[in-house]
Amino acid sequence: SQQGEEDPQALSIQEGENATMNCSYKTSINNLQWYRQNSGRGLVHLILIRSNEREKHSGRLRVTLDTSKKSSSLLITASRAADTASYFCATEYGNKLVFGAGTILRVKS
Amino acid sequence: EPEVTQTPSHQVTQMGQEVILRCVPISNHLYFYWYRQILGQKVEFLVSFYNNEISEKSEIFDDQFSVERPDGSNFTLKIRSTKLEDSAMYFCASRAYLWDTQYFGPGTRLTVL
Repeated sequence: SQQGEEDPQALSIQEGENATMNCSYKTSINNLQWYRQNSGRGLVHLILIRSNEREKHSGRLRVTLDTSKKSSSLLITASRAADTASYFCATEYGNKLVFGAGTILRVKS
Repeated sequence: EPEVTQTPSHQVTQMGQEVILRCVPISNHLYFYWYRQILGQKVEFLVSFYNNEISEKSEIFDDQFSVERPDGSNFTLKIRSTKLEDSAMYFCASRAYLWDTQYFGPGTRLTVL
C-alpha cells in the first residue's frame, strides 16, 4: 500500500500547548500535503512540502519531511480551540493523492 | 480568494437511480479530480481528468461512474445506477499544475436509500 499513516490516531491537549502529528508512508513520493477537516465538512489545504524540501512554515504550522525515513510531521504551535479538527497527510503518487486515516485533534479551552 | 464549489451539498436518492454531482473548479486550473469519503473512513481517490480525458482512475471507478467537463466551467461525476455502498461524501478538487496543491470543494453528501 502507498498510503500515509498518521499517528497518533487521536490527540487531546489544552489550549496554548503544541500539537505534533506524524505521518509515515511507504514508497517514493512527489510531494506530501497536509489537510484539515472539521467534522464532516470539506478538506482545507494547510501545507504542501516537496520531496526535495525538509521543512516549511506557515503561520503557527511547521511541517518537516524526512524522505530517508519516509516520514513527515505537522506541528501546530500555541494551539487554539478552533484548531479542533481531523488532520490528514496526503502523499502524491503520479497524479493522485493518497490519504491516511488522519489524526483527530481536540483542543480544550 | 477563488474556491472550488460543489452542488448540491446533500443528495438523497433511491438505489438504482442515476445521480449527477456537479463541481465548478477554480477558473484557471487544468487538472480535475473526484475523491470520496465513506463515513468514518479514509478519503479515496476516484479519478483524475486533464485535457478532456481521464488520466487515471481507481478500481472504485467502474463502468457505473463517468466524468465530464460539458463546458468551460463545470466538471461532473455521474453514477448511473446507485448502490447503497455509494453513500459517501464526494469531493471535487482542482489544481493549476501537476504536483501543485490540490484545492478541494466542500463536498456533496450522497445518501442512497
